[in-house]
Amino acid sequence: GAVVSQHPSWVICKSGTSVKIECRSLDFQATTMFWYRQFPKQSLMLMATSNEGSKATYEQGVEKDKFLINHASLTLSTLTVTSAHPEDSSFYICSASEGQGFYEQYFGPGTRLTVT
Amino acid sequence: GQNIDQPTEMTATEGAIVQINCTYQTSGFNGLFWYQQHAGEAPTFLSYNVLDGLEEKGRFSSFLSRSKGYSYLLLKELQMKDSASYLCAALDSNYQLIWGAGTKLIIKP
Repeated sequence: GAVVSQHPSWVICKSGTSVKIECRSLDFQATTMFWYRQFPKQSLMLMATSNEGSKATYEQGVEKDKFLINHASLTLSTLTVTSAHPEDSSFYICSASEGQGFYEQYFGPGTRLTVT
Repeated sequence: GQNIDQPTEMTATEGAIVQINCTYQTSGFNGLFWYQQHAGEAPTFLSYNVLDGLEEKGRFSSFLSRSKGYSYLLLKELQMKDSASYLCAALDSNYQLIWGAGTKLIIKP
């Protein structure tokens, strides 16, 4: 149980375009979803936390107008990287947590974004 | 500030035992997680400790000392597939996960 999927697995896009990444909890309802980015040989960096039906809470230094997060249902959250630039190239990982007071996060397989 | 420290890299031999240490300083504490991450993949959950002591789960065990702000992950009977990064993460008083940079474990035959 507790499977999280992400789509796409990898994407290459041109500078200035927007890219949408989907995160789905397949066999549980995700009260909270998290979006991380990870640069090579570095740890996870939390970008934002979202609860179903509410606006996402962004970490300091993360531009909310650039990284649009929508947690439309208990099984789906999307991250849209708008006007992508080469420096946005990274590994984006979502995770989901079920229920109040349950803090184990189940991670999606990640999306590798390359902006040319 | 909040901080997690763990070694950057460790090397061990197949069949041996290795201990990966983690020290943490957080605003409040609600538990400590260990995750395994293979290169290019997302992290997978290994353990969660919130009480002092050792929790054993097959070849992997995790230890916590809240008074010392210290945890370790113990891997026994190492296999080549255990080559991965091991991430330590502490849950602070706001129930936010504070992540360490990860320890890259290299297993040699």
